[in-house]
Amino acid sequence: LAKTTQPISMDSYEGQEVNITCSHNNIATNDYITWYQQFPSQGPRFIIQGYKTKVTNEVASLFIPADRKSSTLSLPRVSLSDTAVYYCLVGGTYSGNTPLVFGKGTRLSVIA
Amino acid sequence: NAGVTQTPKFQVLKTGQSMTLQCAQDMNHNSMYWYRQDPGMGLRLIYYSASEGTTDKGEVPNGYNVSRLNKREFSLRLESAAPSQTSVYFCASSFGLAGLQETQYFGPGTRLLVL
Repeated sequence: LAKTTQPISMDSYEGQEVNITCSHNNIATNDYITWYQQFPSQGPRFIIQGYKTKVTNEVASLFIPADRKSSTLSLPRVSLSDTAVYYCLVGGTYSGNTPLVFGKGTRLSVIA
Repeated sequence: NAGVTQTPKFQVLKTGQSMTLQCAQDMNHNSMYWYRQDPGMGLRLIYYSASEGTTDKGEVPNGYNVSRLNKREFSLRLESAAPSQTSVYFCASSFGLAGLQETQYFGPGTRLLVL
């Protein structure tokens, strides 16, 4: 099971671009990288998923270098409503088919 | 579609009491999950059900039991509640088993306080 390491917390001002990096040195060939967002008092929700290079959607971009040992979630021009915990998960097919594991995530605080 | 619903939203129990947390999804998903989240912590998987008729233990199954009643419903039971089970409980579902690039959809959570 690929272990992930991400910063515990980050602060940003409104309007800035925020980049959250996740390390996953022992990622397996079949593993995908998935990011979830959790607002206070709510369940997590899917943001973005990728396998390699760059993925972009209406919410964020995900950059994955060629060695895939890390990934960076990029949030453009954050607002106060982006204050949340962001989780990086790595997984694919496992022997035994066990689900993904959520770590503690990165707590992003956006300041006005 | 309501997505994933959970009942109750909030519950207070005394030590030793039992209760069942209910979860239902209307997305025709095969897999369902129960997580707990303690203050300032990430989510920890309690039990999951890869498909109707199967259940498996997650990271922290002790003190809990589950029932996959049908494809839509997955309940979590605390037989004898303890203060250490005070937490927020989230139910989630996915079309296939998470870990195979499947997105999980989460319910709003049940806040449980055990005195």
